[in-house]
Amino acid sequence: DQQVKQNSPSLSVQEGRISILNCDYTNSMFDYFLWYKKYPAEGPTFLISISSIKDKNEDGRFTVFLNKSAKHLSLHIVPSQPGDSAVYFCAACRRDDKIIFGKGTRLHILP
Amino acid sequence: DGGITQSPKYLFRKEGQNVTLSCEQNLNHDAMYWYRQDPGQGLRLIYYSQIVNDFQKGDIAEGYSVSREKKESFPLTVTSAQKNPTAFYLCASSIRDRGLLYGYTFGSGTRLTVV
Repeated sequence: DQQVKQNSPSLSVQEGRISILNCDYTNSMFDYFLWYKKYPAEGPTFLISISSIKDKNEDGRFTVFLNKSAKHLSLHIVPSQPGDSAVYFCAACRRDDKIIFGKGTRLHILP
Repeated sequence: DGGITQSPKYLFRKEGQNVTLSCEQNLNHDAMYWYRQDPGQGLRLIYYSQIVNDFQKGDIAEGYSVSREKKESFPLTVTSAQKNPTAFYLCASSIRDRGLLYGYTFGSGTRLTVV
C-alpha cells in the first residue's frame, strides 16, 4: 500500500515558467513532508520540507504547500531553470520514524 | 568536510556470488539506511539501523544482509539469494533526534550490475 503517491511520472515545463509537482499521501499521522531532487547516477539531495503544523514553506525559488484536509502537497518552482531538470521525490514521515518516499516525478525544463 | 561515502561507484558481480557495498559516514549520525532504486519504482528501503549493533528489515530485505558494528559504517551484502540484484543502491544517514526538517543525507550511490 503506497502511503506517498506521485501520480505524474513526468512533467515538461518551459524555462522561466512555473513548475508544479504534486504529491498525495494516505497517512494522516505524518509529521513532516520533504522534497528531494535527484540527478542520474547521483544520490538525492534535500530540497525543502514542511512540518504538518504549517501550510506553506518558502526557500528562494522553491515553495511547498500543504493541504492537510486533502492530504496533498505540492512543490512550486518559480521561475523554472534548465538545472531544475531532475527527478523529484516527495517524502513523508512521522517523528522518529523512517522516511517514506514516493516513486518520483521526472521534470523536464524545455528551452 | 562531513558526508557519506559509498564505494565503489560501479560494481560488477557474477551470478551466484555475494558482494558487499561499502557505506561510511563522518557526520556523527546515529541512523543509517540502505535504499534500492529501480526505474519506475522510486526508492525502496532494504535495511536500516538506528543505533550500533541493531538493525531492522525494510520493505525488500530478502536476499540482503547488513551489519552495524561501528557508528560510522553500515555495509550491505547482496547475497546470491537476491534474484534481481542489478540496481542503483543508495546509502543514507540521519541524526536520531533528527530535526526532521532536514531529512536524510544520501551518498552518491553504487551501481551494481550482475554479469
